[in-house]
Amino acid sequence: TQLLEQSPQFLSIQEGENLTVYCNSSSVFSSLQWYRQEPGEGPVLLVTVVTGGEVKKLKRLTFQFGDARKDSSLHITAAQPGDTGLYLCAGARGSSNTGKLIFGQGTTLQVKP
Amino acid sequence: DAGITQSPRHKVTETGTPVTLRCHQTENHRYMYWYRQDPGHGLRLIHYSYGVKDTDKGEVSDGYSVSRSKTEDFLLTLESATSSQTSVYFCAISETGAPTPLEQYFGPGTRLTVT
Repeated sequence: TQLLEQSPQFLSIQEGENLTVYCNSSSVFSSLQWYRQEPGEGPVLLVTVVTGGEVKKLKRLTFQFGDARKDSSLHITAAQPGDTGLYLCAGARGSSNTGKLIFGQGTTLQVKP
Repeated sequence: DAGITQSPRHKVTETGTPVTLRCHQTENHRYMYWYRQDPGHGLRLIHYSYGVKDTDKGEVSDGYSVSRSKTEDFLLTLESATSSQTSVYFCAISETGAPTPLEQYFGPGTRLTVT
């Protein structure tokens, strides 16, 4: 059973389109992170959200943490081919100070020129 | 880029043989992690370390052991490799987990094939 469910798992869109990726759980997380991974490389952190209802923007990417801290979304405006990659959400639970994260299964995004 | 290297980058081994993967960091970060990545599963934590000689299990630790004798090195050993351990293995480091997890920096990965 996946503690963090991402949807959709695959997304293929044309350049210029908007899209939203969802990360859902029945559990509460103390914080949630979004990573982006390119083929043959390790994931790279995009953002960390901590407060319920928090919204963060990174250029054309908008990240939101749900009010109850059980879900998050990533919205990309006017997608570019350079946005192509695997997007992973990862949650931290409780007050553990080990930095342990639980990852979703990932969303593969393909943006066609 | 964070100074994390993994070796080897690719390995093919036979079922039943022991395999050791190495993660080396130059950042002096306290926390180190080993993950495996398989299609449809994202990243799953195998073991992690919160200091020299301090390690603990993750969610998929069966068949794996780890050791950390120095801050900079974290070794992952497959005691007797099985085909189900064919995967891409990532090492990650982090400075601290409290009160909010800081960024985990990932290595380039090791692709392991068990035949």
